[in-house]
Amino acid sequence: TQLLEQSPQFLSIQEGENLTVYCNSSSVFSSLQWYRQEPGEGPVLLVTVVTGGEVKKLKRLTFQFGDARKDSSLHITAAQTGDTGLYLCAGEETSGSRLTFGEGTQLTVNP
Amino acid sequence: DAGITQSPRHKVTETGTPVTLRCHQTENHRYMYWYRQDPGHGLRLIHYSYGVKDTDKGEVSDGYSVSRSKTEDFLLTLESATSSQTSVYFCAIRPGRLASNEQFFGPGTRLTVL
Repeated sequence: TQLLEQSPQFLSIQEGENLTVYCNSSSVFSSLQWYRQEPGEGPVLLVTVVTGGEVKKLKRLTFQFGDARKDSSLHITAAQTGDTGLYLCAGEETSGSRLTFGEGTQLTVNP
Repeated sequence: DAGITQSPRHKVTETGTPVTLRCHQTENHRYMYWYRQDPGHGLRLIHYSYGVKDTDKGEVSDGYSVSRSKTEDFLLTLESATSSQTSVYFCAIRPGRLASNEQFFGPGTRLTVL
């Protein structure tokens, strides 16, 4: 099983601040996805990155896939209280049938 | 809305009893997955299915079995529940139309084993 290490595990910031969450592995993934989960609900897909070096933007969120397709980052600009939640990265194994999830980053944005 | 429902949403049971969780989808997707989520462990794959009667084990399959007799239903069974199986269980589907393994999740079942 391929492993994904996500950091930090917990992050508490003030509204308006910027933040970056990291997802690292020693394994190569075919693609990498970021999910956001709110209490009592299932994870919701935010984005998929496929190509090494790829950068995708979703409003104030910027996602990057490492050149070697082993790592990824999520950057949030000017965080808002509505960004609070659990952020999960997930790598698609080269076989294509499974995802490996990181442990998650619990983000709290304080007003 | 990926059309995924899970039942029950909450269940409390006693050690040693059998438990079956149901995942139902309305869009005839081929791939279905069962995960458990525990603090500090993210989501861990229990079993998955790639078609009717076609299933495979995930990383934490011990103590769990699955069945898929119809495309729309994927059942997870704990033959004899233990306290270590207290967790939140999520079902997910993978739409076949997408090139990547993007998954869409149900609302979860919170299981407590006393």
